[in-house]
Amino acid sequence: GAVVSQHPSRVICKSGTSVKIECRSLDFQATTMFWYRQFPKQSLMLMATSNEGSKATYEQGVEKDKFLINHASLTLSTLTVTSAHPEDSSFYICSARDLDRGYEQYFGPGTRLTVT
Amino acid sequence: GESVGLHLPTLSVQEGDNSIINCAYSNSASDYFIWYKQESGKGPQFIIDIRSNMDKRQGQRVTVLLNKTVKHLSLQIAATQPGDSAVYFCAENTGNQFYFGTGTSLTVIP
Repeated sequence: GAVVSQHPSRVICKSGTSVKIECRSLDFQATTMFWYRQFPKQSLMLMATSNEGSKATYEQGVEKDKFLINHASLTLSTLTVTSAHPEDSSFYICSARDLDRGYEQYFGPGTRLTVT
Repeated sequence: GESVGLHLPTLSVQEGDNSIINCAYSNSASDYFIWYKQESGKGPQFIIDIRSNMDKRQGQRVTVLLNKTVKHLSLQIAATQPGDSAVYFCAENTGNQFYFGTGTSLTVIP
């Protein structure tokens, strides 16, 4: 149980375009979903926290107009990178939590974004 | 965000030996800690967790120790195997958010 999927696993897009990444909790309802970004050989940096049906809470330094997060249902959150630039190339990882199950976060497999 | 750091960025151990990975955290109000293992190109994988009202927790071949006095967390892996080679992160829970440490790359030498 507690499986989180991400789609796509890899995406290449041209500079200036937008790309959407989906995060789904497959067998539980996620009251909270988290989005992280990870650069090579670095740790996971929390970008934003989203609760179903409400606006995401962004970490300091993360542009909310550039990284649009929608948590439309208890099993789906999306991250849209708008007007992507090469410096947005990174590994994006989502996680989901159901507080009824405890504090643990369940992580997705990640999405490798490359902006050319 | 919070500052959660690891003392050693890389660690090499001989197969069969025990590994100890350390982590310092900064927020004394953090109430929950998790160790994750991350293999290249994959998402983090849960290893073991501990709540702040405990100082030790054991799993299968792994033990987590929590010292709240000095805000220090450690992960001990017994009889380290080649499959344990990965990057290990500690994370602390503060409110509704998790903050990750910088990571330690563990290499197991056959």
